[in-house]
Amino acid sequence: QVQLKESGPGLVQPSQTLSLTCTVSGLSLTSNSVSWIRQPPGKGLEWMGVIWSNGGTDYNSAIKSRLSISRDTSKSQVFLKMNSLQTEDTAMYFCARKGNTPFDYWGQGVMVTVSS
Amino acid sequence: DIQLTQSPSSMSASLGDRVSLTCQSSQGIGNYLSWYQHKPGKPPKPMIYYATNLADGVPSRFSGSRSGSDYSLTISSLESEDTAIYYCLQYDEYPWTFGGGTKLELK
Repeated sequence: QVQLKESGPGLVQPSQTLSLTCTVSGLSLTSNSVSWIRQPPGKGLEWMGVIWSNGGTDYNSAIKSRLSISRDTSKSQVFLKMNSLQTEDTAMYFCARKGNTPFDYWGQGVMVTVSS
Repeated sequence: DIQLTQSPSSMSASLGDRVSLTCQSSQGIGNYLSWYQHKPGKPPKPMIYYATNLADGVPSRFSGSRSGSDYSLTISSLESEDTAIYYCLQYDEYPWTFGGGTKLELK
């Protein structure tokens, strides 16, 4: 069955770079697209960006200058890198697959805290 | 960016009630709207896609509708397991944007 799992550091210092990995199983990244979505504590959801099945990407313009999404199809992994982190980037980060809905399968999420 | 305004921001209803949640778009998005149910400690669950289509495994008491730029998620008979925060999402134009959510509680 389709599964996604996020991994990465729970704590990042301000101004540093966040690196997260989404490891997928039960699907091929060459025929599926994966998005990253985040949710700050007590706030709503924010779509960050997507890597399409052809390897192309689209990003939320609000964070585009700081964000990069890439993948390693041989390892079934999608990567998120975001630089210049601030406390406002403290959030639960999710990866999700695009199916009939923009996000039909989700990972459980990884909590990232930006703090010194 | 397209703004989605959800109303009400929170509500309470009784078991068996018919409940309707609304999402209004700031500009035309056609039917490119989906709904998600979010419970604490879990990832959001897709409920409706393309405005009116039920996602896999979603009970038939849920339905989606559209009237112009207003979109609704309706629960025909509220059950206790339906308490959650519901978010709408537009995926017509980048950046894809979520509404602010409606928190649905039992009365």
